[in-house]
Amino acid sequence: QITLKESGPTLVKPTQTLTLTCTFSGFSLSTSEVGVGWIRQPPGRALEWLALIYWDDDKRYTPSLKSRLTITKDTSKNQVILTMTNMDPVDTATYYCAHLLYNSGWFRYWGQGTRVTVSS
Amino acid sequence: DIVMTQSPDSLAVSLGERATINCKSSQSVLYSSNNNNYLAWYQQRPGQPPKLLIYWASTRESGVPDRFSGSGSGTDFTLTISSLQAEDVAVYYCQQYYSTPRTFGQGTKLEIK
Repeated sequence: QITLKESGPTLVKPTQTLTLTCTFSGFSLSTSEVGVGWIRQPPGRALEWLALIYWDDDKRYTPSLKSRLTITKDTSKNQVILTMTNMDPVDTATYYCAHLLYNSGWFRYWGQGTRVTVSS
Repeated sequence: DIVMTQSPDSLAVSLGERATINCKSSQSVLYSSNNNNYLAWYQQRPGQPPKLLIYWASTRESGVPDRFSGSGSGTDFTLTISSLQAEDVAVYYCQQYYSTPRTFGQGTKLEIK
């Protein structure tokens, strides 16, 4: 059974760096073709794809946020970490992590999401 | 970036009636080498993460009721719910996975009339 769970601060101040952790079970990021992605959703708004990382450390970012995002993996801990620098109130959102496979690309398994508010 | 545009933004349908949601991509998401359309549909109920319904534009995910179907190719796609049930009230999103960034549509809110 594949599960994912996001964790991190619920409140960050403007200009601070956000660090989110996705802890998963039921699969390994050392297995060929496996990946984990991050998607966010501002309150009442649409989903926005942010980044993903594959088993071979191939990383992809949405161009509009690429300068602020870093995605890494800790295979031994079954974790994927997303950092976002220079946080702004417009970054207030629920952040989801999700599982995907390299040759597919859809997200079959999702975490419940973690709500992040950016406010001074 | 491939822009995904859904229509309508919201939709109210009577129970038992058909619901149709459209999704248009700014460029083709059909990969000619394998003839697959790199398009997925998700359902998001309030307070829940999205749930995968359809992938490859028309392949229903395991466990998804057969009243849900996907169609289309190239740049124009449709999600159809053949007979609306109360539990289908949700926001529906299309997503392309043809290229990075893997963009989503803006969502279509489906309600009961």
